[in-house]
Amino acid sequence: KQEVTQIPAALSVPEGENLVLNCSFTDSAIYNLQWFRQDPGKGLTSLLLIQSSQREQTSGRLNASLDKSSGRSTLYIAASQPGDSATYLCAGEAAGNKLTFGGGTRVLVKP
Amino acid sequence: DADVTQTPRNRITKTGKRIMLECSQTKGHDRMYWYRQDPGLGLRLIYYSFDVKDINKGEISDGYSVSRQAQAKFSLSLESAIPNQTALYFCATSDTTGARDEQFFGPGTRLTVL
Repeated sequence: KQEVTQIPAALSVPEGENLVLNCSFTDSAIYNLQWFRQDPGKGLTSLLLIQSSQREQTSGRLNASLDKSSGRSTLYIAASQPGDSATYLCAGEAAGNKLTFGGGTRVLVKP
Repeated sequence: DADVTQTPRNRITKTGKRIMLECSQTKGHDRMYWYRQDPGLGLRLIYYSFDVKDINKGEISDGYSVSRQAQAKFSLSLESAIPNQTALYFCATSDTTGARDEQFFGPGTRLTVL
């Protein structure tokens, strides 16, 4: 059974600092790994999806890497801004298009 | 307009009541999902449907049932609500015609069972 872990559960950084968010998974036989952002009281917004054949994806200030052999994915957010404050969730997709989510990392970027 | 909508957005009910949460999508996706989110536990899959005639149990289906009325509509029912079903419920869709299998989420329904 796939298990996804995100450590730390919460993170606070000053504005401008780069953010590094970690995600680990137990089953390397994932089809893809997806990173989401969740704002309080709102749904999930998909940020990046890395397919199993890829090692990274980039979108603007966001870069996500995937290392299946070590069971890890990392989301980098460059030059953080207060608007980046949110909870970030990673999820691994297994057979049948089913996602297994981590518990999330709550990020606070201080002005 | 939002591609994935959920109604109601908030619901307070009492133990033993039957309630239904509804999800509609305009994305034309064939696959739909129901998740619940509890603090610190991430999201857990309740039920999923690959098309109108295909319904599957997820990780935590006990106490829940679903109905796929049409490609665009997927409802979640709690037959007899209990307090530990208090959670944030999300509907999601995905389209497997492409290579990405990306899931798109609705805004969520906050359910409180007293």
